[in-house]
Amino acid sequence: GEDVEQSLFLSVREGDSSVINCTYTDSSSTYLYWYKQEPGAGLQLLTYIFSNMDMKQDQRLTVLLNKKDKHLSLRIADTQTGDSAIYFCAERRGSGNTPLVFGKGTRLSVIA
Amino acid sequence: NAGVTQTPKFQVLKTGQSMTLQCAQDMNHNSMYWYRQDPGMGLRLIYYSASEGTTDKGEVPNGYNVSRLNKREFSLRLESAAPSQTSVYFCASSEAWTSSYEQYFGPGTRLTVT
Repeated sequence: GEDVEQSLFLSVREGDSSVINCTYTDSSSTYLYWYKQEPGAGLQLLTYIFSNMDMKQDQRLTVLLNKKDKHLSLRIADTQTGDSAIYFCAERRGSGNTPLVFGKGTRLSVIA
Repeated sequence: NAGVTQTPKFQVLKTGQSMTLQCAQDMNHNSMYWYRQDPGMGLRLIYYSASEGTTDKGEVPNGYNVSRLNKREFSLRLESAAPSQTSVYFCASSEAWTSSYEQYFGPGTRLTVT
C-alpha cells in the first residue's frame, strides 16, 4: 500500500517551536494520531484528531489537519530537551477498529 | 493495571533456532497486534487479531506465526530464526469502544539473530 510520509530528522533549539509534518494516504481515514517514542521504550499516544476537525490543541501541542491535501502537522511550543524523541504519525484507514498504518518516524533533537 | 506486557525484553538467537514472544494485556481489549520496528522503516504490522479466535496477516507475515491464546494473550512465534528477523518487536492492543480507537503499546522485545 501507499506509505505515510514524514521527514526523518528535525533539529530545534530549546525554547523554539517544533513543527513535524506528515502526509497520509487515505482520504477516508477517520482518525489520525501522533505517537512519541523515547529511547529504548515503546510508543505512547501523544494526541489524536478526528477527521471532521481542522485543529486540536492540548497544552503545548497543536495538531493541524488539512484533509484536502491529506496533510497533518504537530507543533510543539517551547520545545524542551525532554521532547527529544521519535515522533510517529499514524492513520486509521477506513472505519472500525482496523490496524494503524505508521509513518517511518521523525527524530526530533533539541539543542540546549 | 500493567497495560501491555511483553516477555522477554531481550533475546539473542542463532540462525535456525525457534522462539515465542509473549504478549499480554489486562485492559480487556478485543484487538491485539504485532509490529516490528527497524531503523528507517518505522513500524510494520506482522499479524493482528481483531478478536479472540481470529488472526490476520499484516504487511510482513513471512517467517512468523501467531496464536491468540485467549482474550488477554497474543504470542508471536519464529519457527526458524533468520538474521533478517533481527528487530525490535512491539505488541499492541486496542478496543473499538474507546473514544479514539488508540493502540496501547508494550515496551518491546529486542531480538538479535546471529
